[in-house]
Amino acid sequence: AQKVTQAQTEISVVEKEDVTLDCVYETRDTTYYLFWYKQPPSGELVFLIRRNSFDEQNEISGRYSWNFQKSTSSFNFTITASQVVDSAVYFCALSEDAGGTSYGKLTFGQGTILTVHP
Amino acid sequence: GAVVSQHPSWVICKSGTSVKIECRSLDFQATTMFWYRQFPKQSLMLMATSNEGSKATYEQGVEKDKFLINHASLTLSTLTVTSAHPEDSSFYICSARDSSRGRTMNTEAFFGQGTRLTVV
Repeated sequence: AQKVTQAQTEISVVEKEDVTLDCVYETRDTTYYLFWYKQPPSGELVFLIRRNSFDEQNEISGRYSWNFQKSTSSFNFTITASQVVDSAVYFCALSEDAGGTSYGKLTFGQGTILTVHP
Repeated sequence: GAVVSQHPSWVICKSGTSVKIECRSLDFQATTMFWYRQFPKQSLMLMATSNEGSKATYEQGVEKDKFLINHASLTLSTLTVTSAHPEDSSFYICSARDSSRGRTMNTEAFFGQGTRLTVV
């Protein structure tokens, strides 16, 4: 069975601080996909990134960066120079390459509530 | 990216009534859709996998007779909450997978906007 753990329930920072959201996952598959989503108060899920298990390159997109470490089963997310608009709930998720109708089925972590104060 | 439309965005209903939520893929075909539920301040939990032309697959602990899923076309899945009770009040969100994409590319599903259900 797969599992995603986001140990940080809530994080509070002041604007312009850097913040890292941790994500640890468990899976028996050798091929799998990891995601990060942002959920603002309105509720919709905003897709941030997808990473497959064979690509351990770190990625940077503007103020966002992701560190994928297969050795520690972690996929951490860093926001540099945080802004008030970054305040939201962030979810890490895992999709196994189980074939058939399981494609696209996600197991979510518990979520981390990020509050950025002005 | 692909668009999934979920309707309604919010609904308030009386206890004992049924509510239908629609999930449509607007610019792609989806033989598979997923329904999730999110209670306040909690994570998203998969309820069921909706399969076009066949029965839905429900996760353990989800009552199939209470949460009826119909996936009659390649672009529409519906979730009906029957005999709703206040404890069914939650945020329901669907996702759809593009059936036309190959295995290596078919790695994500696109989410609808979600439906906030309040049962009074």
